[in-house]
Amino acid sequence: QQQVKQSPQSLIVQKGGISIINCAYENTAFDYFPWYQQFPGKGPALLIAIRPDVSEKKEGRFTISFNKSAKQFSLHIMDSQPGDSATYFCAARGTTSYGKLTFGQGTILTVHP
Amino acid sequence: GAGVSQSPSNKVTEKGKDVELRCDPISGHTALYWYRQSLGQGLEFLIYFQGNSAPDKSGLPSDRFSAERTGGSVSTLTIQRTQQEDSAVYLCASSPGQGETEQFFGPGTRLTVL
Repeated sequence: QQQVKQSPQSLIVQKGGISIINCAYENTAFDYFPWYQQFPGKGPALLIAIRPDVSEKKEGRFTISFNKSAKQFSLHIMDSQPGDSATYFCAARGTTSYGKLTFGQGTILTVHP
Repeated sequence: GAGVSQSPSNKVTEKGKDVELRCDPISGHTALYWYRQSLGQGLEFLIYFQGNSAPDKSGLPSDRFSAERTGGSVSTLTIQRTQQEDSAVYLCASSPGQGETEQFFGPGTRLTVL
């Protein structure tokens, strides 16, 4: 059972554009929603995260929007740069499973110069 | 400081052989996780260790998979009688403690079963 659905699978954006990746979840017991960035040959690294008590969190060019009622959250990358080209994963953690992150299937982002 | 390290970086094995994958977490981190990343897929949780508590093995796909963590530090993931569907990148992560949110990932071990 896939509990976190991510779209699109791939995304091509021009430099300076906005990249938007969406995720939807099913488990209402999730209480922590991180986004990870992964470059080829590397492990994922935490990019930004949000808890369900806020609707938006911004860090530099990266923003998470969170809609608790719709059980959806999204990552927005403003002024996308070629260096942002990577695979992005959304994830969620349940209140009763401190260790387990449930990941989306990933989005391959390509930013053209 | 040193991050999470994993060895080997690549492993090619024949179907039916056993393999061991190693993870060295960040020093002082009490929580350790194993995930599997298949081609084109997200990360799949396998197992979680926290201090001296019993591990959460709920993600292990079959009894051919096992893991241990010695001395609260290094962990070994063992896959017995490997199958072609076991081919994937196996990722290890650690975090400072239970409830700590950020998990720090190693570079992974790419396992290929011929």
